[in-house]
Amino acid sequence: AQRVTQPEKLLSVFKGAPVELKCNYSYSGSPELFWYVQYSRQRLQLLLRHISRESIKGFTADLNKGETSFHLKKPFAQEEDSAMYYCAIFSYFNKFYFGSGTKLNVKP
Amino acid sequence: DVKVTQSSRYLVKRTGEKVFLECVQDMDHENMFWYRQDPGLGLRLIYFSYDVKMKEKGDIPEGYSVSREKKERFSLILESASTNQTSMYLCASSSSRPPRLANNEQFFGPGTRLTVL
Repeated sequence: AQRVTQPEKLLSVFKGAPVELKCNYSYSGSPELFWYVQYSRQRLQLLLRHISRESIKGFTADLNKGETSFHLKKPFAQEEDSAMYYCAIFSYFNKFYFGSGTKLNVKP
Repeated sequence: DVKVTQSSRYLVKRTGEKVFLECVQDMDHENMFWYRQDPGLGLRLIYFSYDVKMKEKGDIPEGYSVSREKKERFSLILESASTNQTSMYLCASSSSRPPRLANNEQFFGPGTRLTVL
């Protein structure tokens, strides 16, 4: 069964510090992974998808099939990065399985 | 601009009431989804639909039903609301069009916070 695990409920870092939000998955097949973000009082939105190999707002995520991980990283956190982050895996019928989420708090 | 709208931002109902949550998308998307979002549990899929009049159960369908009579509208129904259905409900939609399904992101509505007393 497809599953996504985000081990940290809350991650607090200071502005300018590196940040890594962890995501591990289980999937029988070739996984397609995503990060979604929800800023305060805004709707959930796509941040990035692994297949695009893109950097969005300074965030990157590399799919590591050996470790079954898709950690989200940013070298220098900004206060505006404070949000709820969800890792998600794509399944059939265009379904996604979401992790439990990590709240990132970037302190000034 | 992409738009998924939900009929209410906040809703307060009593135990045993029948509750309707409405979702409308204007992007001509084939797929629509209902999730509930709870702290520490993330998003859990209740039901989804990949075509008009089609529906599939998600991970937690018990106590819920859905209706999709038109492509743009997907309704979530709580036949007899209970206190454990107090939650944030999110609707989403996505396209099934080529070139690649997995690139088709889900677009979310603003959510409906339902409180069942």
